[in-house]
Amino acid sequence: AQSVTQLGSHVSVSEGALVLLRCNYSSSVPPYLFWYVQYPNQGLQLLLKYTTGATLVKGINGFEAEFKKSETSFHLTKPSAHMSDAAEYFCAVRRLGDDMRFGAGTRLTVKP
Amino acid sequence: DTGVSQNPRHKITKRGQNVTFRCDPISEHNRLYWYRQTLGQGPEFLTYFQNEAQLEKSRLLSDRFSAERPKGSFSTLEIQRTEQGDSAMYLCASGSGANVLTFGAGSRLTVL
Repeated sequence: AQSVTQLGSHVSVSEGALVLLRCNYSSSVPPYLFWYVQYPNQGLQLLLKYTTGATLVKGINGFEAEFKKSETSFHLTKPSAHMSDAAEYFCAVRRLGDDMRFGAGTRLTVKP
Repeated sequence: DTGVSQNPRHKITKRGQNVTFRCDPISEHNRLYWYRQTLGQGPEFLTYFQNEAQLEKSRLLSDRFSAERPKGSFSTLEIQRTEQGDSAMYLCASGSGANVLTFGAGSRLTVL
């Protein structure tokens, strides 16, 4: 079975501050890992993904995430938050041939 | 290609009525997924198709729910005898192989 845990349902940062959204997964085999962002009343948009290869993955809008197998983590970071980053962020895990399983989400608030 | 299209975007119905949602996936994607998302939660897997074959159904998919993908292209999700607990956003996604899933904007159901 595979599952995803996102630590912190709500994260608040100041504009220009570091963004860190935490994600831990459990999977019996090496998984594919994803971060999606969802703006109000919209569908999910892919930020970045890890499948194989380099464990530090860069995505859109300045976000990146690092796959740490020993910690079963895939935390999302951005060096400097922007007001437009305010949204709901979802970590997801998928094994080849399986459906994608999502965490409960983390709502990011950016204060001016 | 315009991505994954879902219709209608919002449906308001009375309890006990039937509703049907349609999803048009990205044309070259052979896999199609349905998810349900309630407020403050991550998407929950409902079912998925590979071409026209329905390969997996979640236990969340009660007997009142049925999904079809008759020609391996568009899909419909029907909910019979709707209940207030069915109120949610119904998300469709498509993909192929180990690639990411591309999501539609969703169909929001409100059951009065």
